[in-house]
Amino acid sequence: AQSVTQLDSHVSVSEGTPVLLRCNYSSSYSPSLFWYVQHPNKGLQLLLKYTSAATLVKGINGFEAEFKKSETSFHLTKPSAHMSDAAEYFCVVTGRTGGFKTIFGAGTRLFVKA
Amino acid sequence: NAGVTQTPKFRVLKTGQSMTLLCAQDMNHEYMYWYRQDPGMGLRLIHYSVGEGTTAKGEVPDGYNVSRLKKQNFLLGLESAAPSQTSVYFCATGDRGVNEQFFGPGTRLTVL
Repeated sequence: AQSVTQLDSHVSVSEGTPVLLRCNYSSSYSPSLFWYVQHPNKGLQLLLKYTSAATLVKGINGFEAEFKKSETSFHLTKPSAHMSDAAEYFCVVTGRTGGFKTIFGAGTRLFVKA
Repeated sequence: NAGVTQTPKFRVLKTGQSMTLLCAQDMNHEYMYWYRQDPGMGLRLIHYSVGEGTTAKGEVPDGYNVSRLKKQNFLLGLESAAPSQTSVYFCATGDRGVNEQFFGPGTRLTVL
């Protein structure tokens, strides 16, 4: 069975400080993992994806994530937060388990203080 | 390219009424999905399609029906709306099941 847990429902940082959004996953198969961002009243936009190539994945807007199989984690980081990063972030796992499943985490809302 | 579009953007229904949400894509993707988004629950898959003429149930299919008569369109129907179906509905497309998905702007549905 597949599952994904975002460990924080809310994260608040000051502009210019690092961002860490945590995601743990469970999958019986080698998963594909994604981070999406959703700005208020908008659809979801892909930030980055892991599909069994390099374990450190770079995405748009300075975000990156590291796939750690031993820890079953796929945490999202950014060295320096910008006000425009304030949004909701979703960790997603996809993989075939006798069919097809896409599982979304519950989301982490990122607040950025001036 | 319009990408993924959804109509309508907003709708208010009374309990028991029916409606159809339309998702259209010009990306030539095989896979299409319908999700609902509720506060604190992320997105939950309602139904999906892996190609024209095919549909399959997702995580929360009850109370919804879908059809994929044309590759570019995926319709979500509510036969008898209930207040529990008040939500924001997102359509998404993808070229393979394990690749990234491309999302429409959403439809905000309120059932009174």
